[in-house]
Amino acid sequence: NAGVIQTPRHKVTGKGQEATLWCEPISGHSAVFWYRQTIVQGLEFLTYFRNQAPIDDSGMPKERFSAQMPNQSHSTLKIQSTQPQDSAVYLCASSSQGRGTGQLYFGEGSKLTVL
Amino acid sequence: GDSVTQTEGLVTVTEGLPVKLNCTYQTTYLTIAFFWYVQYLNEAPQVLLKSSTDNKRTEHQGFHATLHKSSSSFHLQKSSAQLSDSALYYCALRGTSSGQKLVFGQGTILKVYL
Repeated sequence: NAGVIQTPRHKVTGKGQEATLWCEPISGHSAVFWYRQTIVQGLEFLTYFRNQAPIDDSGMPKERFSAQMPNQSHSTLKIQSTQPQDSAVYLCASSSQGRGTGQLYFGEGSKLTVL
Repeated sequence: GDSVTQTEGLVTVTEGLPVKLNCTYQTTYLTIAFFWYVQYLNEAPQVLLKSSTDNKRTEHQGFHATLHKSSSSFHLQKSSAQLSDSALYYCALRGTSSGQKLVFGQGTILKVYL
């Protein structure tokens, strides 16, 4: 079984440019999560979807970040007017619904560098 | 809200010696499950251990952890560290107030030396 697939693995943007990151969850998983990983903050929750509907975006910086899940096979995280402080590894994860502990399965991440 | 605290940013240990990574938590409501994730260099975080039962020891790959709700802790231990255990470790919880999301600690880098 393929795991969570994230593209691109590395992205370099100039300050003020837009960055779009893509995530393909594990087939059959109904929940998709986005986290940001930095040395200082660790794994910060950004947002998640369940059955393609946005459920919790409490971690999203409101002004420049947006996430969508147009179909069950992919989700995107868009950052407009990127700033150097947006540099981080962005991790996507998916999870199956129903009984159980709700383990998240992570992709390898997209490393964003804003110059 | 829920929070997880990992007090050590870096733990170093000599191969063959025991190691312990600390994890404590605060939660407003009920907790559903606790996890330890491990992330090797340039790889995705993956589950190492998970537990939802108070005072029950959970083991995997030589590591073990016991959830103690009385002390709000879920420390990770291994009796004999190996060079291959060098990685970044995250403690996480899923609480009823969190929905399906996991709340992570800041992570602990474990370095095992010869």
